[in-house]
Amino acid sequence: NAGVTQTPKFRILKIGQSMTLQCAQDMNHNYMYWYRQDPGMGLKLIYYSVGAGITDKGEVPNGYNVSRSTTEDFPLRLELAAPSQTSVYFCASSGGAATVNGYTFGSGTRLTVV
Amino acid sequence: DQQVKQNSPSLSVQEGRISILNCDYTNSMFDYFLWYKKYPAEGPTFLISISSIKDKNEDGRFTVFLNKSAKHLSLHIVPSQPGDSAVYFCAASAGGQNFVFGPGTRLSVLP
Repeated sequence: NAGVTQTPKFRILKIGQSMTLQCAQDMNHNYMYWYRQDPGMGLKLIYYSVGAGITDKGEVPNGYNVSRSTTEDFPLRLELAAPSQTSVYFCASSGGAATVNGYTFGSGTRLTVV
Repeated sequence: DQQVKQNSPSLSVQEGRISILNCDYTNSMFDYFLWYKKYPAEGPTFLISISSIKDKNEDGRFTVFLNKSAKHLSLHIVPSQPGDSAVYFCAASAGGQNFVFGPGTRLSVLP
Protein backbone atom coordinates (compact mmCIF):
# COMPACT_ATOMS: atom_id res chain seq x y z
CA ASN A 1 0.00 0.00 0.00
CA ALA A 2 1.92 3.05 -1.31
CA GLY A 3 -0.28 5.80 0.23
CA VAL A 4 0.60 9.20 -1.28
CA THR A 5 3.41 9.28 -3.82
CA GLN A 6 5.11 12.51 -4.88
CA THR A 7 7.55 12.96 -7.74
CA PRO A 8 10.16 14.28 -8.14
CA LYS A 9 11.78 14.40 -4.70
CA PHE A 10 14.14 17.21 -5.67
CA ARG A 11 14.22 19.74 -8.48
CA ILE A 12 16.18 22.86 -9.37
CA LEU A 13 14.43 25.27 -11.73
CA LYS A 14 15.63 28.45 -13.39
CA ILE A 15 13.54 31.60 -13.06
CA GLY A 16 10.76 31.58 -15.62
CA GLN A 17 10.78 27.82 -16.20
CA SER A 18 7.70 25.69 -15.72
CA MET A 19 7.20 22.32 -14.11
CA THR A 20 4.56 19.98 -12.78
CA LEU A 21 4.78 18.34 -9.38
CA GLN A 22 3.08 14.99 -9.47
CA CYS A 23 0.94 13.52 -6.68
CA ALA A 24 -0.87 10.19 -6.70
CA GLN A 25 -2.76 8.31 -3.99
CA ASP A 26 -4.04 4.76 -4.01
CA MET A 27 -6.43 4.95 -1.05
CA ASN A 28 -9.49 6.12 -3.03
CA HIS A 29 -9.54 9.35 -1.01
CA ASN A 30 -11.82 12.11 -2.24
CA TYR A 31 -9.94 14.99 -0.61
CA MET A 32 -6.50 16.03 -1.81
CA TYR A 33 -4.32 18.97 -0.87
CA TRP A 34 -1.15 20.80 -1.80
CA TYR A 35 0.83 22.53 0.94
CA ARG A 36 4.14 24.36 0.91
CA GLN A 37 6.49 24.64 3.84
CA ASP A 38 9.00 27.46 4.07
CA PRO A 39 11.81 27.37 6.65
CA GLY A 40 10.53 28.06 10.16
CA MET A 41 6.96 28.31 8.95
CA GLY A 42 3.96 26.08 9.14
CA LEU A 43 2.45 24.38 6.14
CA LYS A 44 0.42 26.75 4.00
CA LEU A 45 -2.42 25.48 1.82
CA ILE A 46 -2.00 26.19 -1.89
CA TYR A 47 -4.93 24.34 -3.49
CA TYR A 48 -7.28 21.57 -2.53
CA SER A 49 -9.81 19.28 -4.16
CA VAL A 50 -12.90 17.60 -2.73
CA GLY A 51 -13.24 15.18 -5.63
CA ALA A 52 -12.48 14.59 -9.29
CA GLY A 53 -13.23 17.68 -11.35
CA ILE A 54 -13.45 20.01 -8.33
CA THR A 55 -10.62 22.24 -7.15
CA ASP A 56 -10.41 25.35 -5.03
CA LYS A 57 -7.85 27.89 -3.89
CA GLY A 58 -6.20 27.77 -0.52
CA GLU A 59 -4.27 30.45 1.32
CA VAL A 60 -1.39 30.94 -1.15
CA PRO A 61 -2.56 29.99 -4.70
CA ASN A 62 -0.79 32.70 -6.73
CA GLY A 63 1.69 31.29 -9.24
CA TYR A 64 0.20 27.79 -9.17
CA ASN A 65 -2.46 25.80 -10.96
CA VAL A 66 -3.99 22.39 -10.32
CA SER A 67 -6.25 19.90 -12.00
CA ARG A 68 -8.08 16.82 -10.75
CA SER A 69 -9.18 14.67 -13.65
CA THR A 70 -9.12 11.42 -11.64
CA THR A 71 -9.59 10.49 -7.99
CA GLU A 72 -5.99 9.27 -7.82
CA ASP A 73 -4.00 12.17 -9.28
CA PHE A 74 -3.64 15.80 -8.25
CA PRO A 75 -0.76 17.51 -10.11
CA LEU A 76 0.47 20.99 -9.19
CA ARG A 77 1.69 23.22 -12.02
CA LEU A 78 4.15 26.10 -11.70
CA GLU A 79 3.99 28.19 -14.86
CA LEU A 80 6.69 30.84 -14.40
CA ALA A 81 8.97 29.85 -11.56
CA ALA A 82 10.10 32.60 -9.20
CA PRO A 83 12.63 32.49 -6.32
CA SER A 84 9.72 32.99 -3.88
CA GLN A 85 8.50 29.53 -4.88
CA THR A 86 11.59 27.89 -3.42
CA SER A 87 10.05 25.64 -0.81
CA VAL A 88 9.20 22.08 0.16
CA TYR A 89 5.89 20.98 -1.31
CA PHE A 90 3.70 18.38 0.32
CA CYS A 91 0.72 16.63 -1.17
CA ALA A 92 -1.84 15.07 1.18
CA SER A 93 -5.08 13.17 0.97
CA SER A 94 -8.02 12.36 3.22
CA GLY A 95 -10.99 10.05 3.04
CA GLY A 96 -13.25 12.69 4.57
CA ALA A 97 -12.54 12.03 8.24
CA ALA A 98 -9.57 14.37 8.51
CA THR A 99 -11.01 15.88 11.69
CA VAL A 100 -10.49 12.50 13.38
CA ASN A 101 -7.74 10.75 11.39
CA GLY A 102 -5.87 13.64 9.85
CA TYR A 103 -4.32 13.63 6.40
CA THR A 104 -1.93 11.17 4.80
CA PHE A 105 1.05 13.10 3.48
CA GLY A 106 3.54 12.31 0.77
CA SER A 107 7.25 12.61 1.46
CA GLY A 108 7.56 15.99 -0.24
CA THR A 109 9.24 17.67 -3.21
CA ARG A 110 12.09 20.05 -2.46
CA LEU A 111 12.10 22.78 -5.11
CA THR A 112 14.80 25.39 -5.58
CA VAL A 113 14.33 28.26 -8.05
CA VAL A 114 17.54 30.02 -9.06
CA ASP B 1 -1.31 36.94 10.97
CA GLN B 2 -0.74 33.45 12.33
CA GLN B 3 -3.95 31.79 13.48
CA VAL B 4 -2.07 28.84 15.00
CA LYS B 5 1.04 29.56 17.04
CA GLN B 6 3.70 27.34 18.50
CA ASN B 7 5.85 29.79 20.40
CA SER B 8 8.64 27.39 21.30
CA PRO B 9 10.74 26.65 18.22
CA SER B 10 12.60 23.92 20.07
CA LEU B 11 12.48 21.80 23.21
CA SER B 12 14.97 19.39 24.76
CA VAL B 13 13.93 16.68 27.20
CA GLN B 14 15.71 13.82 28.91
CA GLU B 15 14.72 10.31 27.91
CA GLY B 16 12.02 8.93 30.22
CA ARG B 17 10.76 12.35 31.25
CA ILE B 18 7.62 14.13 30.08
CA SER B 19 7.61 16.29 26.92
CA ILE B 20 5.02 19.06 26.78
CA LEU B 21 4.47 20.82 23.47
CA ASN B 22 2.21 23.86 23.41
CA CYS B 23 -0.04 25.40 20.80
CA ASP B 24 -2.17 28.56 20.88
CA TYR B 25 -4.83 29.65 18.41
CA THR B 26 -6.66 32.88 17.77
CA ASN B 27 -9.74 31.80 15.80
CA SER B 28 -12.60 30.94 18.17
CA MET B 29 -14.32 29.06 15.33
CA PHE B 30 -11.67 26.31 15.39
CA ASP B 31 -13.23 23.16 16.76
CA TYR B 32 -10.98 20.33 15.57
CA PHE B 33 -7.30 20.02 16.38
CA LEU B 34 -4.61 17.64 15.21
CA TRP B 35 -1.00 16.95 16.08
CA TYR B 36 1.49 15.69 13.51
CA LYS B 37 5.05 14.47 13.84
CA LYS B 38 7.63 15.03 11.10
CA TYR B 39 11.02 13.43 10.64
CA PRO B 40 13.61 15.00 8.27
CA ALA B 41 13.03 14.27 4.58
CA GLU B 42 9.61 12.73 5.30
CA GLY B 43 6.06 14.02 5.21
CA PRO B 44 4.19 14.75 8.45
CA THR B 45 2.46 11.78 10.05
CA PHE B 46 -0.76 12.06 12.02
CA LEU B 47 -0.46 11.53 15.78
CA ILE B 48 -3.64 12.39 17.63
CA SER B 49 -6.77 14.52 17.33
CA ILE B 50 -9.20 16.27 19.62
CA SER B 51 -12.52 17.99 19.07
CA SER B 52 -13.82 20.96 21.01
CA ILE B 53 -16.41 18.86 22.80
CA LYS B 54 -13.59 17.17 24.70
CA ASP B 55 -10.81 18.53 26.88
CA LYS B 56 -8.57 15.48 26.75
CA ASN B 57 -7.74 12.63 24.40
CA GLU B 58 -5.24 9.84 24.99
CA ASP B 59 -3.48 7.40 22.72
CA GLY B 60 -0.78 5.36 24.38
CA ARG B 61 2.07 7.65 25.42
CA PHE B 62 0.43 10.66 23.78
CA THR B 63 -2.21 12.84 25.43
CA VAL B 64 -3.66 16.05 24.05
CA PHE B 65 -5.31 18.60 26.34
CA LEU B 66 -7.59 21.37 25.11
CA ASN B 67 -8.44 24.55 27.03
CA LYS B 68 -11.06 26.31 24.91
CA SER B 69 -11.38 29.37 27.10
CA ALA B 70 -7.64 30.00 26.83
CA LYS B 71 -7.52 28.92 23.16
CA HIS B 72 -4.66 26.64 24.09
CA LEU B 73 -3.80 23.02 23.56
CA SER B 74 -0.87 20.91 24.58
CA LEU B 75 0.60 17.54 23.65
CA HIS B 76 2.10 15.44 26.43
CA ILE B 77 4.46 12.58 25.66
CA VAL B 78 5.16 10.25 28.58
CA PRO B 79 7.68 8.72 28.79
CA SER B 80 9.73 10.46 26.11
CA GLN B 81 11.91 8.24 23.93
CA PRO B 82 14.80 9.12 21.59
CA GLY B 83 12.62 8.05 18.63
CA ASP B 84 10.24 10.88 19.53
CA SER B 85 12.83 13.40 18.38
CA ALA B 86 11.11 15.18 15.49
CA VAL B 87 9.26 18.37 14.58
CA TYR B 88 5.72 18.49 15.95
CA PHE B 89 3.00 20.48 14.21
CA CYS B 90 -0.29 21.58 15.68
CA ALA B 91 -3.16 22.08 13.20
CA ALA B 92 -6.69 23.46 13.58
CA SER B 93 -9.90 23.44 11.57
CA ALA B 94 -13.25 25.25 11.79
CA GLY B 95 -15.23 22.09 11.23
CA GLY B 96 -14.17 21.48 7.66
CA GLN B 97 -11.53 19.27 6.11
CA ASN B 98 -9.03 22.13 5.67
CA PHE B 99 -6.54 22.62 8.47
CA VAL B 100 -4.33 25.58 9.41
CA PHE B 101 -0.87 24.55 10.63
CA GLY B 102 1.41 26.08 13.22
CA PRO B 103 5.14 26.59 12.54
CA GLY B 104 6.21 23.53 14.50
CA THR B 105 8.33 22.74 17.55
CA ARG B 106 11.50 20.69 17.24
CA LEU B 107 11.68 18.14 20.07
CA SER B 108 15.00 16.57 20.99
CA VAL B 109 14.91 13.66 23.43
CA LEU B 110 18.33 13.17 24.94
CA PRO B 111 19.47 9.66 25.95
